[in-house]
Amino acid sequence: QKEVEQDPGPLSVPEGAIVSLNCTYSNSAFQYFMWYRQYSRKGPELLMYTYSSGNKEDGRFTAQVDKSSKYISLFIRDSQPSDSATYLCAMSAKDSGYALNFGKGTSLLVTP
Amino acid sequence: NAGVTQTPKFQVLKTGQSMTLQCAQDMNHNSMYWYRQDPGMGLRLIYYSASEGTTDKGEVPNGYNVSRLNKREFSLRLESAAPSQTSVYFCASSRSGLLAEQFFGPGTRLTVL
Repeated sequence: QKEVEQDPGPLSVPEGAIVSLNCTYSNSAFQYFMWYRQYSRKGPELLMYTYSSGNKEDGRFTAQVDKSSKYISLFIRDSQPSDSATYLCAMSAKDSGYALNFGKGTSLLVTP
Repeated sequence: NAGVTQTPKFQVLKTGQSMTLQCAQDMNHNSMYWYRQDPGMGLRLIYYSASEGTTDKGEVPNGYNVSRLNKREFSLRLESAAPSQTSVYFCASSRSGLLAEQFFGPGTRLTVL
């Protein structure tokens, strides 16, 4: 079993919808949590970076970490067609040298 | 600023052939990384270089070698390519260490027949 699980989708929503993307993990040592966005045939780009538990907001994006449930989420408000991409969660821990463990990615399509 | 550049963009190899994937960054970053991305597997770290002169194995290093040529350049070599190495390879860099934000290149699509 991979340490990081992520539903690959695809997830299709209408423009303007609130999108919820999630990952679960098994390693309780993970402390740093990231969300990357990857457009088709491009490299991933960092969207959100969170340390430990709690919420972080950046514009239309909110990242949540619930360490007690080993569950992280990314919410996208007022979704736009330009948000159509694959979203990758990633996390790291000090005991593994902070190497990033990526989820498989969730494919999101926002339709006009 | 070009960011992270990778060459080539596409490559087809026959089993047993060798090749080197090139990566360069112009952001004056200390750390550089090589990942592979496979359908259903996500991104996996092959090797990384925390700073010039150092390299370390990642999750899937078998069948690969790396060279940190200087601060800007980090190459990945396949000595004897196998079909299992068919993948998309991404290079990334960060200011310093694995915790810092990693910036990714556009990827190299490699097919081994």
